[in-house]
Amino acid sequence: DTAVSQTPKYLVTQMGNDKSIKCEQNLGHDTMYWYKQDSKKFLKIMFSYNNKELIINETVPNRFSPKSPDKAHLNLHINSLELGDSAVYFCASSQVGTSADTQYFGPGTRLTVL
Amino acid sequence: KNQVEQSPQSLIILEGKNCTLQCNYTVSPFSNLRWYKQDTGRGPVSLTIMTFSENTKSNGRYTATLDADTKQSSLHITASQLSDSASYICVVIYNDYKLSFGAGTTVTVRA
Repeated sequence: DTAVSQTPKYLVTQMGNDKSIKCEQNLGHDTMYWYKQDSKKFLKIMFSYNNKELIINETVPNRFSPKSPDKAHLNLHINSLELGDSAVYFCASSQVGTSADTQYFGPGTRLTVL
Repeated sequence: KNQVEQSPQSLIILEGKNCTLQCNYTVSPFSNLRWYKQDTGRGPVSLTIMTFSENTKSNGRYTATLDADTKQSSLHITASQLSDSASYICVVIYNDYKLSFGAGTTVTVRA
């Protein structure tokens, strides 16, 4: 009964490829997020969606495109992968997306670009 | 320079001992401050959320403090257990929805 799940857990791919990471939450939350955690362990928010609508889009290259088919899913598609995209990507969700909301994180997807 | 600084970067403590982690921030306007625990290979888990008016908040053996005037927070772990070994991340929410993350403090509890 994982609350926030991501697939795959590990992803190894070549530079230039296109890949997707899937995220699903079964908590009934309205807001979902994507974060990137680099090798120095800094977490940075990439996107936030509320009820399938984009709320936050930090300065992320347009090679990254989130897609939310419904409010329980927020998938991350990455085009033309680069070495610098190697990181751990976390999906998260929260009830309504206010600043006081608790965010629940998925287990992460470790992306390695060769 | 990161807007949320955590110290120490890492620490090792013996099981049963207490420890305190520090978080200093410069971002504003402040909305709230959160402490997360991140086990190796797992996603962060929320420990506490503190708003401007809250000075102390506890979650079991974890107690967070906040001084919004000096922009400092601490996380105190009491009677540490082996399962407390993890990274502890301080996150400051500002401008209602913007997030600034600290680099975390890695705590290792030894038997």
